[in-house]
Amino acid sequence: GENVEQHPSTLSVQEGDSAVIKCTYSDSASNYFPWYKQELGKRPQLIIDIRSNVGEKKDQRIAVTLNKTAKHFSLHITETQPEDSAVYFCAASAPNTGNQFYFGTGTSLTVIP
Amino acid sequence: EPEVTQTPSHQVTQMGQEVILRCVPISNHLYFYWYRQILGQKVEFLVSFYNNEISEKSEIFDDQFSVERPDGSNFTLKIRSTKLEDSAMYFCASSVGTPRVNTQYFGPGTRLTVL
Repeated sequence: GENVEQHPSTLSVQEGDSAVIKCTYSDSASNYFPWYKQELGKRPQLIIDIRSNVGEKKDQRIAVTLNKTAKHFSLHITETQPEDSAVYFCAASAPNTGNQFYFGTGTSLTVIP
Repeated sequence: EPEVTQTPSHQVTQMGQEVILRCVPISNHLYFYWYRQILGQKVEFLVSFYNNEISEKSEIFDDQFSVERPDGSNFTLKIRSTKLEDSAMYFCASSVGTPRVNTQYFGPGTRLTVL
């Protein structure tokens, strides 16, 4: 089955700097890649997603890039703010297991004011 | 804004006991899911449910687990005979349509502790 690896496990950045979180996947059939943000004590929330027919997607300060050849995708947060501090999870899914998401282990991002 | 709710927030049980975790998905959603997250590990898919039946399940979802939608609003996960390794946070989620097209909304989770 699919295996999603996520790095780094923890990340600290100064407010205003950029943060990058990387994920790799093993199943070349995977074609849908959502990212979730989980603030302390709160539920995971979808923040952005990308499909394999697109190489990059941007939503304000958040962008996701996908390299299908290398089987990796990344989350980029620019101009970080303290409220960006949270755990971020990447996930992957493939058409043959459409309802099953495979998650990464999470990255704990701390934005230092 | 509608939210997925889960009860209880924390459940403590003895090994071998049965537990039922409850979820109320968002009212117009048709797809329902259970995930678990063992402390410090990744979120793992357990099962998805659509049209009153299981549509997919992972290897984790063995005969000890079952799901049910007993009425029009609740979605439950039952663990028949809990084991120590069942201790985890269990998340329920729902989506209005297929998750690859529609956002999955997560509940706040139930922390299950098996002693």
